[in-house]
Amino acid sequence: DAGVTQSPTHLIKTRGQQVTLRCSPKSGHDTVSWYQQALGQGPQFIFQYYEEEERQRGNFPDRFSGHQFPNYSSELNVNALLLGDSALYLCASSLVGTAPYEQYFGPGTRLTVT
Amino acid sequence: DAKTTQPPSMDCAEGRAANLPCNHSTISGNEYVYWYRQIHSQGPQYIIHGLKNNETNEMASLIITEDRKSSTLILPHATLRDTAVYYCIGGLPPSNTGKLIFGQGTTLQVKP
Repeated sequence: DAGVTQSPTHLIKTRGQQVTLRCSPKSGHDTVSWYQQALGQGPQFIFQYYEEEERQRGNFPDRFSGHQFPNYSSELNVNALLLGDSALYLCASSLVGTAPYEQYFGPGTRLTVT
Repeated sequence: DAKTTQPPSMDCAEGRAANLPCNHSTISGNEYVYWYRQIHSQGPQYIIHGLKNNETNEMASLIITEDRKSSTLILPHATLRDTAVYYCIGGLPPSNTGKLIFGQGTTLQVKP
């Protein structure tokens, strides 16, 4: 049973560029959440997708957007990249109605903005 | 969501029990306490959660005080692979949709 997978593993972008990160949830899960983790900090909630809609959002600007596909996979898009967007981006999946806080995390995508 | 307070770091000898404390004094009566851990270069991993009663699973035990203002995660026989950052997340009501609010956590170093 494949767990949560994310791609790419690492990437380097330049200020002002746009980036798309991808996530495939654990088999059987229908909800995907995205988190940003700066170096030395705990993960910060960006948003959550369920039934292809953004259900909840953290304190992040509109430059951060997402999408969920019918197969439950998800994308995180960040526009107009800033140096401060450099972080580990984590995707977590869960199943609505059953222990929503038991989220399964992927290994993350390390984004470096130069 | 309840604010949680954890010591920034702790050491534990391999094979001994690791007891990680967490204060969550503002937690409400129907709010859960969750524990996650993050091993270096990996995503966080769910460990255990509880409401009022003590809980145990194959990974750890969770002891919640009677007033629910604090809890302790117990790893009964710590191994080197348990070296990680441990996050206590408090104040998650059943109606919440699963947004996790992580603090700084406790860095547990298990030493041989």
